[in-house]
Amino acid sequence: KAGVTQTPRYLIKTRGQQVTLSCSPISGHRSVSWYQQTPGQGLQFLFEYFSETQRNKGNFPGRFSGRQFSNSRSEMNVSTLELGDSALYLCASSPMGQASYEQYFGPGTRLTVT
Amino acid sequence: GENVEQHPSTLSVQEGDSAVIKCTYSDSASNYFPWYKQELGKRPQLIIDIRSNVGEKKDQRIAVTLNKTAKHFSLHITETQPEDSAVYFCAASRVGGSQGNLIFGKGTKLSVKP
Repeated sequence: KAGVTQTPRYLIKTRGQQVTLSCSPISGHRSVSWYQQTPGQGLQFLFEYFSETQRNKGNFPGRFSGRQFSNSRSEMNVSTLELGDSALYLCASSPMGQASYEQYFGPGTRLTVT
Repeated sequence: GENVEQHPSTLSVQEGDSAVIKCTYSDSASNYFPWYKQELGKRPQLIIDIRSNVGEKKDQRIAVTLNKTAKHFSLHITETQPEDSAVYFCAASRVGGSQGNLIFGKGTKLSVKP
């Protein structure tokens, strides 16, 4: 099976702009989670989607939002970008069934805010 | 909410030695504990995981132990090789129902010297 893919891989934006990142999960996986990775804070959970519904949300401001489509592909959006939003944004997919909890990560989108 | 502490933050060993990384968690309801390896510029890769109904799990040179009473779990790598050099992250999760997000430790940078 093809792995988790994310687009774009690199992005440079200026403060105040908004950005949309995309994630395609492994075929058959219905859960998609998003994480922010920075050198100072490590890997932090943003939100999780399952069957087009947000099930969990981390401790991030409302500028961070997401959605999931019927084919399980997910997007996350960050509005009014701040310098501190510069990070590697990773998505992870999981079958999230009773037998399997594993989450598999995509390569990430490196966002730089100037 | 869940909090995961990971130690040490850096670890340097000679090739062939063993390496041990320890994590503690705060939420006694957490029941799934994966370990990820992240090489420079790459995505986190799941290397081993353990569920709360198991005390130990092995996969070739790596093993994970879990002590539910003390709420800590450890990663053991034996006969280390230079290609084991990477950042290792532990995580905890309460899967089942509407939960499933991973809470990560801050990571351990392992260096294996030839």
